Amino acid sequence: DIQLTQSPSSLSAFVGDRVTITCRASQNIAHYFAWYQQRPGKAPKLLIYGASTLASGVPSRFSGTGSGTDFTLTISSLQPEDSAIYFCQQTHSAPTFGQGTKVGVK
Amino acid sequence: QITLKEAGPTLVKPTQTLTLTCTFSGFSLDKSGVGVGWIRQPPGGALEWLILIYGDDARRYSPSLNSRLSITKDTSKNHVVLTMTDLGPMDTGTYYCAHRPEGPGDFFQDWGQGTLVNVSS
Repeated sequence: DIQLTQSPSSLSAFVGDRVTITCRASQNIAHYFAWYQQRPGKAPKLLIYGASTLASGVPSRFSGTGSGTDFTLTISSLQPEDSAIYFCQQTHSAPTFGQGTKVGVK
Repeated sequence: QITLKEAGPTLVKPTQTLTLTCTFSGFSLDKSGVGVGWIRQPPGGALEWLILIYGDDARRYSPSLNSRLSITKDTSKNHVVLTMTDLGPMDTGTYYCAHRPEGPGDFFQDWGQGTLVNVSS
């Protein structure tokens, strides 16, 4: 299995702040990578695929970068509705997910 | 618009077999690159991918659960059925089915609302 190490496990920031979440894969997965947002009580929502392609309807304040083993999700200007848990996923082989990052808005 | 919905029992006894049905609309599961997967999430926990079936009937299994899982599709009814055997308390959680779109990488573009399964005697 390809293991994903996601950090931090939680963070809290102010509205308008820039927020960064990172994910490291245990082996090279090129651009086979996705990010999801999960609000409380809801199903996950795809944000980013192919490491950097924004999914349809996702606000442009979300962006993804990285390739190989290191990947980053950035929220350029945090909004109240961004309060959620964010999961990374490698899509290179048998899919695996990170442990999640809980983002709170102060 | 793509929709998916899971259906099945909410309570299952230990050692029993779980059968969940995913009914979908808005896409056709008859192309090799399109798929439907199952992902589960224990209460307060992380996501765990279980299994994936593609339009050409190929399957992909979680290595750790391979021996307990099976999946079938009925293209005419737009159904996918997951079967998991020998359930235990650790299998308690919310089970999601999700649409894997055509293209590189097994990611999940659209998700069902999820169904909560409790394994308890």
